[in-house]
Amino acid sequence: GDSVTQMEGPVTLSEEAFLTINCTYTATGYPSLFWYVQYPGEGLQLLLKATKADDKGSNKGFEATYRKETTSFHLEKGSVQVSDSAVYFCALMDSSYKLIFGSGTRLLVRP
Amino acid sequence: SAVISQKPSRDICQRGTSLTIQCQVDSQVTMMFWYRQQPGQSLTLIATANQGSEATYESGFVIDKFPISRPNLTFSTLTVSNMSPEDSSIYLCSVGTQGDGGYTFGSGTRLTVV
Repeated sequence: GDSVTQMEGPVTLSEEAFLTINCTYTATGYPSLFWYVQYPGEGLQLLLKATKADDKGSNKGFEATYRKETTSFHLEKGSVQVSDSAVYFCALMDSSYKLIFGSGTRLLVRP
Repeated sequence: SAVISQKPSRDICQRGTSLTIQCQVDSQVTMMFWYRQQPGQSLTLIATANQGSEATYESGFVIDKFPISRPNLTFSTLTVSNMSPEDSSIYLCSVGTQGDGGYTFGSGTRLTVV
């Protein structure tokens, strides 16, 4: 079945550092891909999405590019802030319109 | 995007009892889902709530334990029945429109069973 694999956390960075969180997927066809963020004590918020190969999703300084060749959707940000500390989930939408999530990656940004 | 009101936000319950969680959406949506997030874990889909018919459950989840109702396109409930400490989790409602690309999540219900 379809699945999503994320790099394990926690990822600890200093403020203004560059962020990469790796995400790869296994699926039949070309599913839509998503990054969700969960701040402490809150529900999930959609951060960005890409619906086809080579699409780049972006929001709040975060970017991710749908790479069909490597079945990847890595999340990047050029300069992280303390307020970016959260858990980030990569997900795909399967053929039944259900979201399948990765295990999540906790990001800690220190001042 | 849709705005979700999920209630209660948290509860502490005695084992053997049941809790019903409500998910109210401010607009009609085609897709409604219920997820469980165990402490420090990812999200696991419990079921798809189908309007006017029985929910579709994922492997490992059964209707007797997690009965779901969805009487219309803006409201659904999830009941956690005969609770045990292993049911302590965050339960989340998620909604969207088919093909819209990205679903909205409620703020979750943090359940502790003692």
